[in-house]
Amino acid sequence: KQEVTQIPAALSVPEGENLVLNCSFTDSAIYNLQWFRQDPGKGLTSLLLIQSSQREQTSGRLNASLDKSSGRSTLYIAASQPGDSATYLCAVKKEWWGGSEKLVFGKGTKLTVNP
Amino acid sequence: DTAVSQTPKYLVTQMGNDKSIKCEQNLGHDTMYWYKQDSKKFLKIMFSYNNKELIINETVPNRFSPKSPDKAHLNLHINSLELGDSAVYFCASSQGPGQGYNEQFFGPGTRLTVL
Repeated sequence: KQEVTQIPAALSVPEGENLVLNCSFTDSAIYNLQWFRQDPGKGLTSLLLIQSSQREQTSGRLNASLDKSSGRSTLYIAASQPGDSATYLCAVKKEWWGGSEKLVFGKGTKLTVNP
Repeated sequence: DTAVSQTPKYLVTQMGNDKSIKCEQNLGHDTMYWYKQDSKKFLKIMFSYNNKELIINETVPNRFSPKSPDKAHLNLHINSLELGDSAVYFCASSQGPGQGYNEQFFGPGTRLTVL
Protein backbone atom coordinates (compact mmCIF):
# COMPACT_ATOMS: atom_id res chain seq x y z
CA LYS A 1 0.00 0.00 0.00
CA GLN A 2 1.39 3.37 -1.05
CA GLU A 3 1.79 5.91 1.74
CA VAL A 4 2.97 9.48 1.25
CA THR A 5 4.43 11.48 4.13
CA GLN A 6 5.22 15.17 4.17
CA ILE A 7 7.54 16.79 6.67
CA PRO A 8 7.21 19.24 8.28
CA ALA A 9 3.45 19.55 8.73
CA ALA A 10 3.84 23.31 9.17
CA LEU A 11 6.62 25.77 8.52
CA SER A 12 6.94 29.47 9.27
CA VAL A 13 9.78 31.49 7.74
CA PRO A 14 10.71 35.14 7.26
CA GLU A 15 10.38 36.64 3.82
CA GLY A 16 13.38 36.11 1.55
CA GLU A 17 14.45 32.81 3.05
CA ASN A 18 15.13 29.77 0.88
CA LEU A 19 13.28 26.68 2.08
CA VAL A 20 12.82 22.97 1.40
CA LEU A 21 9.68 20.90 1.76
CA ASN A 22 10.05 17.14 2.00
CA CYS A 23 7.94 14.30 0.67
CA SER A 24 8.54 10.57 1.04
CA PHE A 25 6.65 7.60 -0.39
CA THR A 26 6.80 3.92 0.45
CA ASP A 27 6.36 2.28 -2.97
CA SER A 28 8.74 3.30 -5.75
CA ALA A 29 6.43 1.93 -8.50
CA ILE A 30 5.08 5.33 -9.49
CA TYR A 31 4.32 6.96 -12.82
CA ASN A 32 5.05 10.48 -11.67
CA LEU A 33 5.02 12.85 -8.72
CA GLN A 34 3.14 16.15 -8.60
CA TRP A 35 3.51 19.08 -6.25
CA PHE A 36 0.36 21.14 -5.71
CA ARG A 37 -0.43 24.35 -3.92
CA GLN A 38 -3.72 24.83 -2.07
CA ASP A 39 -4.79 28.21 -0.75
CA PRO A 40 -7.36 28.32 2.09
CA GLY A 41 -10.82 27.48 0.79
CA LYS A 42 -9.50 27.05 -2.74
CA GLY A 43 -8.76 24.24 -5.15
CA LEU A 44 -5.47 22.65 -6.09
CA THR A 45 -2.98 24.36 -8.36
CA SER A 46 -0.41 22.11 -9.98
CA LEU A 47 3.10 23.48 -9.50
CA LEU A 48 5.45 20.87 -10.89
CA LEU A 49 5.19 17.40 -12.37
CA ILE A 50 8.19 15.07 -12.32
CA GLN A 51 8.03 11.89 -14.38
CA SER A 52 9.39 8.74 -12.77
CA SER A 53 12.35 8.79 -15.17
CA GLN A 54 13.28 12.38 -14.32
CA ARG A 55 15.40 13.74 -11.50
CA GLU A 56 14.13 17.30 -11.25
CA GLN A 57 11.89 20.00 -12.65
CA THR A 58 12.12 23.77 -12.34
CA SER A 59 9.58 26.53 -12.66
CA GLY A 60 10.60 30.05 -11.70
CA ARG A 61 11.63 30.08 -8.04
CA LEU A 62 10.51 26.46 -7.59
CA ASN A 63 12.65 23.39 -8.04
CA ALA A 64 11.45 19.87 -7.35
CA SER A 65 13.68 16.82 -7.20
CA LEU A 66 12.84 13.14 -7.28
CA ASP A 67 14.85 10.16 -6.03
CA LYS A 68 12.56 7.28 -6.88
CA SER A 69 14.82 4.57 -5.53
CA SER A 70 14.84 6.09 -2.07
CA GLY A 71 11.23 7.23 -2.24
CA ARG A 72 11.92 10.92 -1.72
CA SER A 73 11.10 14.24 -3.29
CA THR A 74 11.90 17.78 -2.25
CA LEU A 75 10.37 21.08 -3.24
CA TYR A 76 12.82 23.96 -3.03
CA ILE A 77 11.42 27.49 -2.90
CA ALA A 78 13.94 30.27 -3.43
CA ALA A 79 13.60 33.76 -2.01
CA SER A 80 10.25 33.08 -0.38
CA GLN A 81 7.52 35.74 -0.48
CA PRO A 82 4.37 36.25 1.61
CA GLY A 83 2.36 35.26 -1.45
CA ASP A 84 3.91 31.79 -1.22
CA SER A 85 1.93 31.18 1.97
CA ALA A 86 -0.30 28.16 1.31
CA THR A 87 -0.48 24.41 1.90
CA TYR A 88 1.80 22.42 -0.36
CA LEU A 89 0.71 18.91 -1.27
CA CYS A 90 2.80 16.13 -2.71
CA ALA A 91 1.08 13.34 -4.68
CA VAL A 92 2.38 10.25 -6.43
CA LYS A 93 0.59 8.69 -9.36
CA LYS A 94 0.39 4.93 -9.39
CA GLU A 95 -1.49 2.16 -11.10
CA TRP A 96 -4.92 1.38 -9.67
CA TRP A 97 -7.45 -1.27 -10.66
CA GLY A 98 -8.19 -2.27 -14.23
CA GLY A 99 -5.42 -0.24 -15.80
CA SER A 100 -6.61 3.01 -14.26
CA GLU A 101 -4.45 5.33 -12.22
CA LYS A 102 -4.85 7.34 -9.05
CA LEU A 103 -3.01 10.01 -7.12
CA VAL A 104 -2.02 9.24 -3.54
CA PHE A 105 -1.60 12.42 -1.54
CA GLY A 106 0.41 13.40 1.48
CA LYS A 107 -1.23 15.46 4.20
CA GLY A 108 0.57 18.60 3.13
CA THR A 109 2.93 21.18 4.59
CA LYS A 110 1.34 24.46 5.64
CA LEU A 111 3.78 27.24 4.79
CA THR A 112 3.60 30.73 6.25
CA VAL A 113 5.99 33.39 4.95
CA ASN A 114 6.12 36.39 7.25
CA PRO A 115 6.76 39.88 5.86
CA ASP B 1 -11.44 29.43 -19.75
CA THR B 2 -11.79 27.13 -16.77
CA ALA B 3 -10.32 23.71 -17.49
CA VAL B 4 -12.19 21.74 -14.83
CA SER B 5 -15.27 23.33 -13.33
CA GLN B 6 -17.60 22.22 -10.55
CA THR B 7 -21.02 23.38 -9.38
CA PRO B 8 -22.08 24.31 -6.84
CA LYS B 9 -19.10 25.73 -4.97
CA TYR B 10 -20.92 25.44 -1.66
CA LEU B 11 -23.70 23.05 -0.70
CA VAL B 12 -25.47 23.05 2.66
CA THR B 13 -28.15 20.46 3.25
CA GLN B 14 -29.92 18.39 5.87
CA MET B 15 -29.18 14.81 6.83
CA GLY B 16 -31.10 12.30 4.77
CA ASN B 17 -31.34 14.46 1.66
CA ASP B 18 -30.09 13.48 -1.80
CA LYS B 19 -27.79 15.88 -3.63
CA SER B 20 -25.67 16.07 -6.76
CA ILE B 21 -22.43 17.84 -7.63
CA LYS B 22 -21.63 18.53 -11.26
CA CYS B 23 -18.23 18.46 -12.92
CA GLU B 24 -17.22 19.43 -16.43
CA GLN B 25 -13.84 19.46 -18.16
CA ASN B 26 -13.02 21.15 -21.47
CA LEU B 27 -9.56 19.62 -21.86
CA GLY B 28 -10.64 16.73 -24.05
CA HIS B 29 -9.44 14.28 -21.42
CA ASP B 30 -10.58 10.68 -21.36
CA THR B 31 -10.51 10.03 -17.62
CA MET B 32 -12.21 11.83 -14.78
CA TYR B 33 -11.96 11.38 -11.02
CA TRP B 34 -13.62 12.32 -7.77
CA TYR B 35 -11.54 12.96 -4.65
CA LYS B 36 -12.69 13.74 -1.11
CA GLN B 37 -10.82 16.08 1.24
CA ASP B 38 -11.86 15.48 4.83
CA SER B 39 -11.81 17.83 7.81
CA LYS B 40 -8.14 17.02 8.39
CA LYS B 41 -7.41 18.17 4.83
CA PHE B 42 -6.48 14.65 3.69
CA LEU B 43 -7.27 14.06 0.01
CA LYS B 44 -8.30 10.56 -1.01
CA ILE B 45 -9.55 9.15 -4.30
CA MET B 46 -13.16 8.01 -4.52
CA PHE B 47 -13.69 7.08 -8.19
CA SER B 48 -11.95 6.87 -11.53
CA TYR B 49 -14.15 6.87 -14.66
CA ASN B 50 -13.05 6.24 -18.23
CA ASN B 51 -15.22 5.38 -21.21
CA LYS B 52 -17.97 3.98 -19.02
CA GLU B 53 -15.55 1.94 -16.92
CA LEU B 54 -15.86 2.83 -13.28
CA ILE B 55 -13.20 2.07 -10.71
CA ILE B 56 -14.37 2.48 -7.13
CA ASN B 57 -12.39 2.88 -3.94
CA GLU B 58 -13.70 0.12 -1.72
CA THR B 59 -14.05 2.49 1.23
CA VAL B 60 -16.69 4.61 -0.56
CA PRO B 61 -20.27 3.85 0.60
CA ASN B 62 -22.69 2.82 -2.13
CA ARG B 63 -24.74 5.93 -1.33
CA PHE B 64 -22.24 7.67 -3.60
CA SER B 65 -22.71 7.13 -7.32
CA PRO B 66 -20.92 8.89 -10.17
CA LYS B 67 -22.84 9.45 -13.37
CA SER B 68 -21.30 10.41 -16.69
CA PRO B 69 -23.65 11.67 -19.42
CA ASP B 70 -20.68 12.14 -21.77
CA LYS B 71 -16.90 12.18 -21.76
CA ALA B 72 -16.70 15.80 -20.59
CA HIS B 73 -18.94 15.40 -17.56
CA LEU B 74 -18.81 13.35 -14.38
CA ASN B 75 -21.44 14.16 -11.79
CA LEU B 76 -21.48 12.86 -8.24
CA HIS B 77 -24.81 11.86 -6.76
CA ILE B 78 -25.11 11.24 -3.04
CA ASN B 79 -28.14 9.56 -1.44
CA SER B 80 -29.24 9.76 2.19
CA LEU B 81 -26.59 12.26 3.23
CA GLU B 82 -24.91 11.74 6.60
CA LEU B 83 -22.99 14.12 8.86
CA GLY B 84 -19.74 12.34 7.99
CA ASP B 85 -20.19 13.22 4.33
CA SER B 86 -19.30 16.82 5.11
CA ALA B 87 -16.08 17.50 3.22
CA VAL B 88 -14.69 19.20 0.15
CA TYR B 89 -15.14 17.17 -3.01
CA PHE B 90 -12.75 17.68 -5.90
CA CYS B 91 -13.21 16.62 -9.49
CA ALA B 92 -10.13 15.99 -11.65
CA SER B 93 -9.31 14.86 -15.16
CA SER B 94 -6.36 13.51 -17.10
CA GLN B 95 -5.51 11.91 -20.41
CA GLY B 96 -5.75 8.14 -20.28
CA PRO B 97 -6.05 5.36 -19.34
CA GLY B 98 -2.74 3.88 -20.28
CA GLN B 99 -1.36 7.40 -20.14
CA GLY B 100 -0.08 7.11 -16.62
CA TYR B 101 2.57 9.74 -17.09
CA ASN B 102 0.14 12.58 -17.63
CA GLU B 103 -0.83 15.32 -15.23
CA GLN B 104 -4.13 15.47 -13.38
CA PHE B 105 -5.99 18.77 -13.40
CA PHE B 106 -8.29 19.62 -10.52
CA GLY B 107 -11.50 21.59 -10.23
CA PRO B 108 -12.01 24.29 -7.56
CA GLY B 109 -13.85 21.96 -5.19
CA THR B 110 -17.35 21.79 -3.71
CA ARG B 111 -17.66 22.30 0.02
CA LEU B 112 -20.50 20.09 1.26
CA THR B 113 -21.91 20.70 4.73
CA VAL B 114 -24.47 18.28 6.12
CA LEU B 115 -26.48 19.58 9.08
